[in-house]
Amino acid sequence: EVQLVQSGAEVKKPGESLRISCKGSGYSFPTYWISWVRQMPGKGLEWMGRIDPGDSRTNYSPSFQGHVTISADKSISTAYLQWSSLKASDTAIYYCASLRIAAAANWFDPWGQGTLVTVSS
Amino acid sequence: QSVLTQPPSASGTPGQRVTISCSGSSSNIGSYTVNWYQQLPGTAPKLLIYSNNQRPSGVPDRFSGSKSGTSASLAISGLQSEDEADYYCAAWDDSLNGWVFGGGTKLTVL
Repeated sequence: EVQLVQSGAEVKKPGESLRISCKGSGYSFPTYWISWVRQMPGKGLEWMGRIDPGDSRTNYSPSFQGHVTISADKSISTAYLQWSSLKASDTAIYYCASLRIAAAANWFDPWGQGTLVTVSS
Repeated sequence: QSVLTQPPSASGTPGQRVTISCSGSSSNIGSYTVNWYQQLPGTAPKLLIYSNNQRPSGVPDRFSGSKSGTSASLAISGLQSEDEADYYCAAWDDSLNGWVFGGGTKLTVL
């Protein structure tokens, strides 16, 4: 079964650093880009950025560039999303998703189960 | 303010047909395929429709998608209580060099 399994919920204080993970299984992890998507409480989905696990190329949404870092370790089929200094406004559920491509189309499937990050003093 | 525009809510009674619209521009829907995701309460989003009108294995044929110009639509026929969820459209955007989502439509089955 193709799946993405994310790390567990985190509670952090403002200014702390954090790295959450997304482990792929059931497929060739380096073959498909991984994206991260944010969902703030009661809000919609926002694309943050993506990484090619094969060579670690990344690109970020302008809204998130400079605020987070996306990385990957293909040897353990895992992608990461990290913050160096969290803010209360980073409180959200973060999803990873695998990008599938066929012909001129692309889509996210599957998705991880989500990681809740709570930032509060 | 989302790049793709969806109505915030939609509703129908069991057995009815409902449609959800998604409006974009030439830099996204007008040039690229549209996908739809279903998010049941308290769960992760799940792929519902890809490449405008294709259903992944396991998605009932009650769900269908279409695209015309810079707009797309999701139709759900034979509405069931388990269809109550948030629905999001998404597409690649050339101007932003990334994916954009609609704001989501909360579907209520009355």
